Amino acid sequence: DTEVTQTPKHLVMGMTNKKSLKCEQHMGHRAMYWYKQKAKKPPELMFVYSYEKLSINESVPSRFSPECPNSSLLNLHLHALQPEDSALYLCASSQVPPLGGNQPQHFGDGTRLSIL
Amino acid sequence: AQKVTQAQTEISVVEKEDVTLDCVYETRDTTYYLFWYKQPPSGELVFLIRRNSFDEQNEISGRYSWNFQKSTSSFNFTITASQVVDSAVYFCALSVGAAGNKLTFGGGTRVLVKP
Repeated sequence: DTEVTQTPKHLVMGMTNKKSLKCEQHMGHRAMYWYKQKAKKPPELMFVYSYEKLSINESVPSRFSPECPNSSLLNLHLHALQPEDSALYLCASSQVPPLGGNQPQHFGDGTRLSIL
Repeated sequence: AQKVTQAQTEISVVEKEDVTLDCVYETRDTTYYLFWYKQPPSGELVFLIRRNSFDEQNEISGRYSWNFQKSTSSFNFTITASQVVDSAVYFCALSVGAAGNKLTFGGGTRVLVKP
């Protein structure tokens, strides 16, 4: 079983809807990540939070809005998405470097998002 | 800038055959970390191994082994006596010390193990 839990596992939404993806970890990690993965492609980094503060935003459109309410939770708020935003959205967590060097990221199962 | 190349997009083998996945990386940093992840059809990326640039020892874990060669900038992965459960997409990834934990992924290699 994965130690990073993502909900929902599947989400279908219209372009005018507002929805949120949720991610939770209880490994004591203080870095959390959102990735987007299209079919047959590697994951693409979207956002990184370190100690609950946004540290990296990879020029993601504002229709994606991340939130880190506490050290265990990470949300991704979605609004007015486009069909090309359909993808697998992966959450990950890790220790914050440079604690022992760059530590492996632990991933959840992802949310499969379809935009109609 | 960093780059990871996995030249093999798909490999098909019969169960019990060995399979080697190639990974070539590019970076100008002297401190860097290499990773392998497995992604089964369920979607989760499963961490397999981390190597830092100062440790060139090869590693074996059960049926998995890794060959790190700085001279050729390669970090290859071998599955010995493959099993159907090894069918997945495997990603090689790189992070450099200066960029924190930002991973640069290779394109992935899909491994299909047939019974």
